[in-house]
Amino acid sequence: GQQLNQSPQSMFIQEGEDVSMNCTSSSIFNTWLWYKQDPGEGPVLLIALYKAGELTSNGRLTAQFGITRKDSFLNISASIPSDVGIYFCAGQSFNYQLIWGAGTKLIIKP
Amino acid sequence: EAEVAQSPRYKITEKSQAVAFWCDPISGHATLYWYRQILGQGPELLVQFQDESVVDDSQLPKDRFSAERLKGVDSTLKIQPAELGDSAMYLCASSYRDSGYNEQFFGPGTRLTVL
Repeated sequence: GQQLNQSPQSMFIQEGEDVSMNCTSSSIFNTWLWYKQDPGEGPVLLIALYKAGELTSNGRLTAQFGITRKDSFLNISASIPSDVGIYFCAGQSFNYQLIWGAGTKLIIKP
Repeated sequence: EAEVAQSPRYKITEKSQAVAFWCDPISGHATLYWYRQILGQGPELLVQFQDESVVDDSQLPKDRFSAERLKGVDSTLKIQPAELGDSAMYLCASSYRDSGYNEQFFGPGTRLTVL
């Protein structure tokens, strides 16, 4: 079945640093979605990508839909304490269901 | 701002008891999803509704889980009897339609603990 590889699994960064994470798949997706989940809460949609090569920003967040349609990355610039959480990528398969990555846990060092 | 509502937020029950979770999707969203999320993992789809019809319940343990969306609006997920392994976060999501633009919006979830 389809699988997503999301990396890194966790990141320890200093406040103000830029962050980069990515997802790769063995299959082609039509849509890539990036979510953030805080402890005890549901995932919140950050960015949606619909076309290969598309680059989309949402404030300090930038995400790109890979040209091969098998990968996507998310960048966060100038991280702040409220960026802490778990970031999930999700790819939409041919049957419109989402295939999820395992998440990247972002931790900001004091 | 429109949101997906879920209740209860937390539920503690003993094994072999019955539990039920409720979800009210964003108004106008025809597609509703129930997910289960184990700590440290991504959400796992349990069941998908398009209006009142089940589109996919292939991952729903039907011997103990049931889901309904009788009027095509709100939905209930039931577990009977609950087992220790059912402890997880249960998430509800909705989207405008089952189409190429499948932006799913999630509720706050129900944290289930089975003792």
